[in-house]
Amino acid sequence: AQKITQTQPGMFVQEKEAVTLDCTYDTSDPSYGLFWYKQPSSGEMIFLIYQGSYDQQNATEGRYSLNFQKARKSANLVISASQLGDSAMYFCAMREHTRGSTLGRLYFGRGTQLTVWP
Amino acid sequence: NAGVTQTPKFRVLKTGQSMTLLCAQDMNHEYMYWYRQDPGMGLRLIHYSVGEGTTAKGEVPDGYNVSRLKKQNFLLGLESAAPSQTSVYFCASSRDATNEKLFFGSGTQLSVL
Repeated sequence: AQKITQTQPGMFVQEKEAVTLDCTYDTSDPSYGLFWYKQPSSGEMIFLIYQGSYDQQNATEGRYSLNFQKARKSANLVISASQLGDSAMYFCAMREHTRGSTLGRLYFGRGTQLTVWP
Repeated sequence: NAGVTQTPKFRVLKTGQSMTLLCAQDMNHEYMYWYRQDPGMGLRLIHYSVGEGTTAKGEVPDGYNVSRLKKQNFLLGLESAAPSQTSVYFCASSRDATNEKLFFGSGTQLSVL
């Protein structure tokens, strides 16, 4: 079974609008972390935001926020006020903190290609 | 501010040839990773290391070997390259295995003909 599922291969949003990129995860580890990375066409991987499983509040970093719903096992990325430069591939990832044999692994989803149009 | 450096950036191999990808980090990180990225598949973990002298298999380890003789270096080897190993390879490192983000190299585009 996939650890991380991103069900939206592609998303389109108009400039200045908000967009939500979906991510669901699968783990039985009580302690884990969720990450979002951005990959522009240049290919580099850019860290955006992190949410720990025990964090009480949803993480925010500038225009990025993570809508963390633990019971649903979802960690959706919300980008507010989209900009043309937000056009990129976005990856959700998870790391389990206490599972011995897989400790340290970061599992990635298949990504969502976001296109921002003027 | 070098961070994570991968060499080479591009390489073309013939089927059956061997090569080594080098990853070097200057942040004194314990954890290092090799991922491959294929269209529609996201990033898949090949091998990783939790410290100098230790390595572990990831999701897709077949056809690859790794070594971590020095803390700052993590080598990925292909002993007999196959066309199925055509991919973009990313190296990454992190300080520990909890909330620390991964720092990525710029990637290596490998084509096996």
